[in-house]
Amino acid sequence: DIQMTQSPSTLSASVGDRVTITCRASQSVSSWLAWYQQKPGKAPKRLIYDASSLESGVPSRFSGSGSGTEFTLTINSLQPDDFATYYCQQYNSYSYTFGQGTKLEIK
Amino acid sequence: EVQVVESGGGLVHPGGSLRLSCAASGFTVSTNYLTWVRQAPGKGLEWVSVTHSGGTTYYADSVKGRFTISRDISKNTLYLQMNSLRAEDTAVYYCARGGGSMGVWGQGTTVTVSS
Repeated sequence: DIQMTQSPSTLSASVGDRVTITCRASQSVSSWLAWYQQKPGKAPKRLIYDASSLESGVPSRFSGSGSGTEFTLTINSLQPDDFATYYCQQYNSYSYTFGQGTKLEIK
Repeated sequence: EVQVVESGGGLVHPGGSLRLSCAASGFTVSTNYLTWVRQAPGKGLEWVSVTHSGGTTYYADSVKGRFTISRDISKNTLYLQMNSLRAEDTAVYYCARGGGSMGVWGQGTTVTVSS
């Protein structure tokens, strides 16, 4: 199985900051990479698919980039609603796998 | 509105069985890829299984041979039959529309495997 590794595991930031989360794959997943946001007790919400395509209705301060084995999720001008846990997921080959998650906390 | 609603979770003894349901509305299960994802308490997301619109299915190694994904087109519902349950299967199980990335998720149903 392809292993997905996110860094950092925890990120402390302030409202208005720009933050970047990295996701690395153990082998190439081309651009078959999605990012999700999850809040406590809630289902995940897709933000980005195909590495850089923004989900409809998701604010444009969220962006994704990368291909192959290295990907980034960038959030510009953090808003209070953005503090949550973020997961990457590869869907290049079965079994599809998620990263371990990055918890974005308020500094 | 496109949505999925899971049900069927509960407490089951190790070695027991449970069938989860996922009722779809706003789209038809027969023409969509559908996925089960689970999340153990305090842990991350784990992909479990997918069914393609053509009927092909795939499973995570951790559940292969014990879980079966299926659809009832007449009820527009997805299922996950779980047999030989283990303590490590304890999790919130989510149904989602999509076979690669998933754009529509249910609220989840909780499965607890304990004696």
